[in-house]
Amino acid sequence: EAGVAQSPRYKIIEKRQSVAFWCNPISGHATLYWYQQILGQGPKLLIQFQNNGVVDDSQLPKDRFSAERLKGVDSTLKIQPAKLEDSAVYLCASSARTGRMNTEAFFGQGTRLTVV
Amino acid sequence: AQKITQTQPGMFVQEKEAVTLDCTYDTSDPSYGLFWYKQPSSGEMIFLIYQGSYDQQNATEGRYSLNFQKARKSANLVISASQLGDSAMYFCAMREGRNAGNMLTFGGGTRLMVKP
Repeated sequence: EAGVAQSPRYKIIEKRQSVAFWCNPISGHATLYWYQQILGQGPKLLIQFQNNGVVDDSQLPKDRFSAERLKGVDSTLKIQPAKLEDSAVYLCASSARTGRMNTEAFFGQGTRLTVV
Repeated sequence: AQKITQTQPGMFVQEKEAVTLDCTYDTSDPSYGLFWYKQPSSGEMIFLIYQGSYDQQNATEGRYSLNFQKARKSANLVISASQLGDSAMYFCAMREGRNAGNMLTFGGGTRLMVKP
Protein backbone atom coordinates (compact mmCIF):
# COMPACT_ATOMS: atom_id res chain seq x y z
CA GLU A 1 0.00 0.00 0.00
CA ALA A 2 1.11 3.56 -0.62
CA GLY A 3 2.54 5.37 2.38
CA VAL A 4 1.88 8.83 3.73
CA ALA A 5 2.71 11.40 1.08
CA GLN A 6 3.93 14.90 1.92
CA SER A 7 4.94 17.84 -0.20
CA PRO A 8 7.06 19.75 -0.65
CA ARG A 9 10.11 17.96 0.76
CA TYR A 10 12.01 21.19 1.31
CA LYS A 11 11.00 24.83 1.59
CA ILE A 12 13.01 27.97 2.27
CA ILE A 13 11.14 31.20 2.99
CA GLU A 14 11.87 34.56 4.53
CA LYS A 15 10.44 35.47 7.90
CA ARG A 16 6.97 36.98 7.77
CA GLN A 17 6.16 35.09 4.59
CA SER A 18 3.49 32.41 4.51
CA VAL A 19 3.89 28.73 3.64
CA ALA A 20 1.66 25.69 3.26
CA PHE A 21 2.36 22.00 3.53
CA TRP A 22 0.26 19.18 2.11
CA CYS A 23 -0.32 15.66 3.38
CA ASN A 24 -2.11 12.69 1.86
CA PRO A 25 -2.56 9.92 4.45
CA ILE A 26 -2.75 6.20 3.86
CA SER A 27 -6.05 5.31 2.24
CA GLY A 28 -8.73 4.56 4.80
CA HIS A 29 -6.88 6.02 7.76
CA ALA A 30 -9.27 8.12 9.80
CA THR A 31 -6.68 9.71 12.09
CA LEU A 32 -4.19 12.27 10.83
CA TYR A 33 -1.47 14.01 12.85
CA TRP A 34 0.84 16.94 12.19
CA TYR A 35 4.05 16.95 14.21
CA GLN A 36 6.78 19.59 14.39
CA GLN A 37 10.32 18.29 14.84
CA ILE A 38 12.92 20.92 15.65
CA LEU A 39 16.49 19.87 14.92
CA GLY A 40 17.85 17.67 17.70
CA GLN A 41 14.48 17.14 19.35
CA GLY A 42 11.68 14.62 19.24
CA PRO A 43 8.48 15.28 17.30
CA LYS A 44 5.89 17.47 19.04
CA LEU A 45 2.21 17.11 18.17
CA LEU A 46 0.67 20.21 16.63
CA ILE A 47 -2.77 18.96 15.70
CA GLN A 48 -4.71 15.71 15.38
CA PHE A 49 -7.74 15.08 13.20
CA GLN A 50 -10.27 12.29 13.39
CA ASN A 51 -11.86 12.24 9.92
CA ASN A 52 -12.35 15.97 9.33
CA GLY A 53 -12.80 16.98 12.97
CA VAL A 54 -10.09 18.30 15.28
CA VAL A 55 -9.36 16.05 18.26
CA ASP A 56 -6.41 17.93 19.77
CA ASP A 57 -4.88 21.26 18.78
CA SER A 58 -3.73 22.35 22.22
CA GLN A 59 -0.11 22.83 21.10
CA LEU A 60 -0.87 24.57 17.81
CA PRO A 61 0.19 28.26 17.87
CA LYS A 62 -3.15 29.42 16.56
CA ASP A 63 -2.06 33.01 16.02
CA ARG A 64 0.07 31.89 13.08
CA PHE A 65 -0.62 28.21 12.38
CA SER A 66 -3.76 26.77 10.87
CA ALA A 67 -4.67 23.35 9.56
CA GLU A 68 -7.60 21.79 7.82
CA ARG A 69 -8.66 18.40 6.63
CA LEU A 70 -11.44 18.80 4.17
CA LYS A 71 -13.48 15.70 3.34
CA GLY A 72 -11.53 13.74 5.93
CA VAL A 73 -8.69 12.81 3.57
CA ASP A 74 -5.93 15.27 2.57
CA SER A 75 -4.72 17.89 4.98
CA THR A 76 -2.89 21.19 4.73
CA LEU A 77 -0.89 22.96 7.41
CA LYS A 78 -0.27 26.68 6.98
CA ILE A 79 2.02 29.13 8.72
CA GLN A 80 1.33 32.84 8.33
CA PRO A 81 3.48 34.78 9.07
CA ALA A 82 6.51 32.56 9.60
CA LYS A 83 9.10 33.21 12.29
CA LEU A 84 12.70 32.06 12.48
CA GLU A 85 11.82 29.60 15.25
CA ASP A 86 9.41 27.82 12.90
CA SER A 87 12.40 26.26 11.13
CA ALA A 88 11.82 22.53 11.60
CA VAL A 89 10.70 19.36 9.91
CA TYR A 90 6.93 19.04 9.71
CA LEU A 91 5.86 15.43 9.84
CA CYS A 92 2.48 14.13 8.86
CA ALA A 93 1.31 10.76 10.17
CA SER A 94 -1.84 8.69 9.89
CA SER A 95 -3.34 5.72 11.66
CA ALA A 96 -6.38 3.53 11.32
CA ARG A 97 -9.11 4.18 13.84
CA THR A 98 -9.14 0.89 15.67
CA GLY A 99 -9.49 2.05 19.26
CA ARG A 100 -6.64 -0.26 20.12
CA MET A 101 -3.65 0.88 22.14
CA ASN A 102 -1.16 -0.76 19.78
CA THR A 103 -2.36 1.03 16.65
CA GLU A 104 0.81 2.36 15.09
CA ALA A 105 1.12 5.68 13.34
CA PHE A 106 2.66 5.72 9.86
CA PHE A 107 4.77 8.74 9.04
CA GLY A 108 5.58 10.59 5.87
CA GLN A 109 9.10 11.77 5.03
CA GLY A 110 8.36 15.25 6.27
CA THR A 111 8.79 18.76 4.95
CA ARG A 112 11.96 20.53 6.02
CA LEU A 113 11.20 24.22 6.48
CA THR A 114 13.97 26.80 6.76
CA VAL A 115 12.97 30.36 7.67
CA VAL A 116 15.67 32.95 6.96
CA ALA B 1 7.25 17.13 33.68
CA GLN B 2 8.61 15.17 30.74
CA LYS B 3 6.45 12.20 29.90
CA ILE B 4 9.18 10.40 27.97
CA THR B 5 12.86 10.75 28.85
CA GLN B 6 15.74 9.46 26.80
CA THR B 7 18.93 10.27 28.68
CA GLN B 8 21.46 9.20 26.03
CA PRO B 9 21.86 11.87 23.34
CA GLY B 10 24.33 9.66 21.46
CA MET B 11 25.60 6.11 21.58
CA PHE B 12 28.35 4.23 19.79
CA VAL B 13 28.28 0.48 19.28
CA GLN B 14 30.60 -1.87 17.45
CA GLU B 15 29.11 -3.73 14.52
CA LYS B 16 27.73 -7.15 15.54
CA GLU B 17 27.53 -6.12 19.22
CA ALA B 18 24.29 -5.59 21.18
CA VAL B 19 23.22 -2.14 22.40
CA THR B 20 20.60 -0.89 24.83
CA LEU B 21 18.84 2.45 24.37
CA ASP B 22 17.22 3.80 27.50
CA CYS B 23 13.69 5.14 27.88
CA THR B 24 11.81 6.11 31.03
CA TYR B 25 8.24 7.31 31.08
CA ASP B 26 5.84 9.05 33.41
CA THR B 27 2.13 8.36 33.55
CA SER B 28 -0.56 7.74 36.14
CA ASP B 29 -2.76 6.00 33.60
CA PRO B 30 -2.82 2.21 34.17
CA SER B 31 -3.43 1.65 30.45
CA TYR B 32 -0.71 2.81 28.11
CA GLY B 33 1.41 1.66 25.21
CA LEU B 34 5.07 2.23 24.48
CA PHE B 35 6.53 2.45 20.99
CA TRP B 36 10.01 2.67 19.53
CA TYR B 37 10.61 4.37 16.19
CA LYS B 38 13.76 4.61 14.08
CA GLN B 39 14.48 7.76 12.09
CA PRO B 40 17.25 7.41 9.50
CA SER B 41 18.83 10.44 7.90
CA SER B 42 16.20 10.33 5.15
CA GLY B 43 13.69 11.57 7.72
CA GLU B 44 10.85 9.08 7.85
CA MET B 45 9.87 7.51 11.17
CA ILE B 46 9.89 3.72 11.04
CA PHE B 47 7.94 1.75 13.63
CA LEU B 48 10.05 -0.91 15.35
CA ILE B 49 8.31 -2.42 18.35
CA TYR B 50 5.37 -2.02 20.73
CA GLN B 51 4.82 -2.91 24.40
CA GLY B 52 1.46 -2.64 26.15
CA SER B 53 1.21 -1.89 29.86
CA TYR B 54 -0.72 -5.10 30.48
CA ASP B 55 1.53 -7.32 28.39
CA GLN B 56 3.00 -10.09 30.52
CA GLN B 57 6.01 -10.70 28.33
CA ASN B 58 8.62 -8.39 26.88
CA ALA B 59 8.02 -7.62 23.23
CA THR B 60 10.39 -8.93 20.57
CA GLU B 61 10.60 -8.23 16.83
CA GLY B 62 13.53 -9.85 15.09
CA ARG B 63 16.73 -8.21 16.36
CA TYR B 64 14.72 -5.75 18.49
CA SER B 65 13.52 -6.52 21.99
CA LEU B 66 12.05 -4.36 24.68
CA ASN B 67 13.24 -4.62 28.27
CA PHE B 68 10.03 -3.53 30.02
CA GLN B 69 10.34 -2.84 33.74
CA LYS B 70 6.94 -1.56 34.79
CA ALA B 71 7.79 -0.76 38.41
CA ARG B 72 10.73 1.36 37.27
CA LYS B 73 8.70 2.86 34.41
CA SER B 74 11.37 1.99 31.92
CA ALA B 75 11.11 0.52 28.42
CA ASN B 76 14.61 0.11 27.06
CA LEU B 77 15.19 -0.99 23.47
CA VAL B 78 17.76 -3.71 22.92
CA ILE B 79 19.22 -4.16 19.45
CA SER B 80 21.14 -7.38 19.03
CA ALA B 81 23.88 -7.97 16.46
CA SER B 82 24.11 -4.31 15.39
CA GLN B 83 24.44 -3.57 11.69
CA LEU B 84 25.78 -0.47 9.94
CA GLY B 85 22.24 0.25 8.74
CA ASP B 86 21.11 0.61 12.34
CA SER B 87 22.85 3.99 12.53
CA ALA B 88 19.96 6.43 13.02
CA MET B 89 17.97 8.39 15.57
CA TYR B 90 15.78 6.28 17.85
CA PHE B 91 12.68 7.64 19.55
CA CYS B 92 10.65 6.21 22.39
CA ALA B 93 6.98 7.22 22.44
CA MET B 94 3.94 6.64 24.63
CA ARG B 95 0.21 6.53 24.12
CA GLU B 96 -1.97 6.85 27.24
CA GLY B 97 -5.30 5.11 27.49
CA ARG B 98 -7.27 8.09 28.75
CA ASN B 99 -5.97 10.13 25.85
CA ALA B 100 -9.06 10.30 23.72
CA GLY B 101 -7.11 11.15 20.64
CA ASN B 102 -4.59 8.36 20.97
CA MET B 103 -1.76 10.75 20.28
CA LEU B 104 1.84 9.65 20.60
CA THR B 105 4.15 11.63 22.89
CA PHE B 106 7.82 11.35 21.93
CA GLY B 107 11.07 11.55 23.84
CA GLY B 108 14.05 13.58 22.69
CA GLY B 109 15.72 10.67 20.93
CA THR B 110 19.07 8.89 20.97
CA ARG B 111 21.47 8.97 18.04
CA LEU B 112 23.00 5.54 17.51
CA MET B 113 26.20 5.21 15.54
CA VAL B 114 27.40 1.76 14.55
CA LYS B 115 31.14 1.45 14.03
CA PRO B 116 32.53 -1.02 11.46
